[in-house]
Amino acid sequence: DGGITQSPKYLFRKEGQNVTLSCEQNLNHDAMYWYRQDPGQGLRLIYYSQIVNDFQKGDIAEGYSVSREKKESFPLTVTSAQKNPTAFYLCASSRSRVTEAFFGQGTRLTVV
Amino acid sequence: EDQVTQSPEALRLQEGESSSLNCSYTVSGLRGLFWYRQDPGKGPEFLFTLYSAGEEKEKERLKATLTKKESFLHITAPKPEDSATYLCAVQAARKTSYDKVIFGPGTSLSVIP
Repeated sequence: DGGITQSPKYLFRKEGQNVTLSCEQNLNHDAMYWYRQDPGQGLRLIYYSQIVNDFQKGDIAEGYSVSREKKESFPLTVTSAQKNPTAFYLCASSRSRVTEAFFGQGTRLTVV
Repeated sequence: EDQVTQSPEALRLQEGESSSLNCSYTVSGLRGLFWYRQDPGKGPEFLFTLYSAGEEKEKERLKATLTKKESFLHITAPKPEDSATYLCAVQAARKTSYDKVIFGPGTSLSVIP
């Protein structure tokens, strides 16, 4: 079945650590996105990529980094510079920049 | 400023009691409006896309409508399995290569048997 796979489902980070969230899609979509979801707020865009080897900052990119070396993969690294990383992280993809997005099941990151 | 609001924040219905959720938006240049359903601890699931005022889409007990300023998600004779958070998102046309998508905070729907 086609879809988007995020891993791990739960992740715990110690202060000062970098952690990487995985996102893989087999939908053959060109565009991929990372969102952050906090209680009571709408999804906020961290980074997006419309083609391989190209990505752009979203509204809240500080403290995060991404890469897009393959069409299927768009990993997100949460660096130690991100001061409040505890949140639910969602990866999504879409066929083009004007079509609906399909989401993965999310990764819940907690700082311990 | 581009903005999307949803009301009510939470809605509790008896099974079979029809109602509507509202999504109001202020954007310059609407490219499209999306409705998603999100279950607790999971990613949003796509429901509908609406592109122009007057457009309507239906799926089972759900019907989405669009005007120039707002969209409604009508739920007819809801069942407990319709309980979820419903998210509205608006895509605003931009001169750059990316048409920004703005998500509302969602409406949490509970359907009581």
